[in-house]
Amino acid sequence: GQSLEQPSEVTAVEGAIVQINCTYQTSGFYGLSWYQQHDGGAPTFLSYNALDGLEETGRFSSFLSRSDSYGYLLLQELQMKDSASYFCAVSSNTDKLIFGTGTRLQVFP
Amino acid sequence: KAGVTQTPRYLIKTRGQQVTLSCSPISGHRSVSWYQQTPGQGLQFLFEYFSETQRNKGNFPGRFSGRQFSNSRSEMNVSTLELGDSALYLCASSLAFGSGKDEQFFGPGTRLTVL
Repeated sequence: GQSLEQPSEVTAVEGAIVQINCTYQTSGFYGLSWYQQHDGGAPTFLSYNALDGLEETGRFSSFLSRSDSYGYLLLQELQMKDSASYFCAVSSNTDKLIFGTGTRLQVFP
Repeated sequence: KAGVTQTPRYLIKTRGQQVTLSCSPISGHRSVSWYQQTPGQGLQFLFEYFSETQRNKGNFPGRFSGRQFSNSRSEMNVSTLELGDSALYLCASSLAFGSGKDEQFFGPGTRLTVL
């Protein structure tokens, strides 16, 4: 089967850096995605990693280690508007996108 | 370009009834996936349609079904509603089949409450 683990909640202050980890178990792995969802909103795509390494997009970066079945989302220069839930999701040869249960990030002033 | 739209946004039903939810994908997108979101469970994959055919299905009972029309619009139906079906139902569209390799564009969801 497929499973993902990520912390349920993370807190940080404005301007800080936070890392949200995601470990997964799946066969036929294709890649790891990250989505952001604000309360009452729709999930929005942040990143997709298919290869090992770090990919940077502005204040957000995403990392993947295929050998460790592990990835993380790094958020820098945190802003209040970054308070949201963050989901990692794996894609595989099942062609289904399987989501983790989400990490709720609370940013404090 | 208009985003993914879902109707209705809110729905209240009673146990035993059935419900139909609608999703209009982004123009040009041929793949529509449906997810159920409940607190603490994340997003659970229901099914994916591409070119009017169900290409993939999650682990949900047969009470959950769907279809896709020639214009890529999709509907999902839940029959014999149970209290546990109360959830946010999200649909997402993408250009190609095989959710995950392509960015998924989500609609705002339909909040279903079963009493």
